[in-house]
Amino acid sequence: GENVEQHPSTLSVQEGDSAVIKCTYSDSASNYFPWYKQELGKRPQLIIDIRSNVGEKKDQRIAVTLNKTAKHFSLHITETQPEDSAVYFCAAIMGGAGSYQLTFGKGTKLSVIP
Amino acid sequence: EPEVTQTPSHQVTQMGQEVILRCVPISNHLYFYWYRQILGQKVEFLVSFYNNEISEKSEIFDDQFSVERPDGSNFTLKIRSTKLEDSAMYFCASSHQTGAPDTQYFGPGTRLTVL
Repeated sequence: GENVEQHPSTLSVQEGDSAVIKCTYSDSASNYFPWYKQELGKRPQLIIDIRSNVGEKKDQRIAVTLNKTAKHFSLHITETQPEDSAVYFCAAIMGGAGSYQLTFGKGTKLSVIP
Repeated sequence: EPEVTQTPSHQVTQMGQEVILRCVPISNHLYFYWYRQILGQKVEFLVSFYNNEISEKSEIFDDQFSVERPDGSNFTLKIRSTKLEDSAMYFCASSHQTGAPDTQYFGPGTRLTVL
C-alpha cells in the first residue's frame, strides 16, 4: 500500500518568514495530494491540493509543488503569520479502481513566532 | 457552507461495551469515510462506504467494527466490544467523487475514551 513520509516533524519560523514542509510517497500510481491544517482539538481542514497532471499550484500565500519523477511534494507558506501555527498533514490518494482512501503523513507542527 | 457533523463530541465507555458514533455527511456527497487519530499521531484510514456498501477497509477495521447508513442522512460507526486501544478521535468525512479523487471534508470528530 501507499506510504507517505513527512519532514520536518516540527518547524519554528519567525513571523514573516517562509515555511517549507516536504513529503514523499511510495506508490507511483498516486494521483491526488491534499494538504490539511489541523488546529488543536479541531478537524483537519483542506488548505490546498494538487493533482498529478500539475507541477505547481498557488493560492495567495500558500503553494504546493509536485515532482512525480522523484515522488515528492512540498507545501510552501510565505509571509507566515501567527495564525498559521498548527499541525500540517500531507496526504496521498492512489485513486485507481475506486480507491479513495487518504494516506497521511505524520504531520508537521508549525510554530510562527511573533 | 455545508459541513459534516458528528455526534457525540465526546464518548466515554467501559472496556467491552458497544459504542455507536454518528455522522451526517454533506447532503450531495456520495462517498463516506471513517478515520481515526490516536492522540498526537497521524490520521489513519478505517473504511470507505459507497452505494450502501463498504468500498475499502484497512487492517484496523476488523470484525469488531461495522458501518451503516440507516437512513438517507446518517452514517454510523459501531464498535462492538471496545478495547483500551480504541481510545482515539474518530473523524467522519465525505466527498462527492465523480471518478477522479475529490476533496474529503472532515467532521469535527468524536473523542472516544475507553476506560
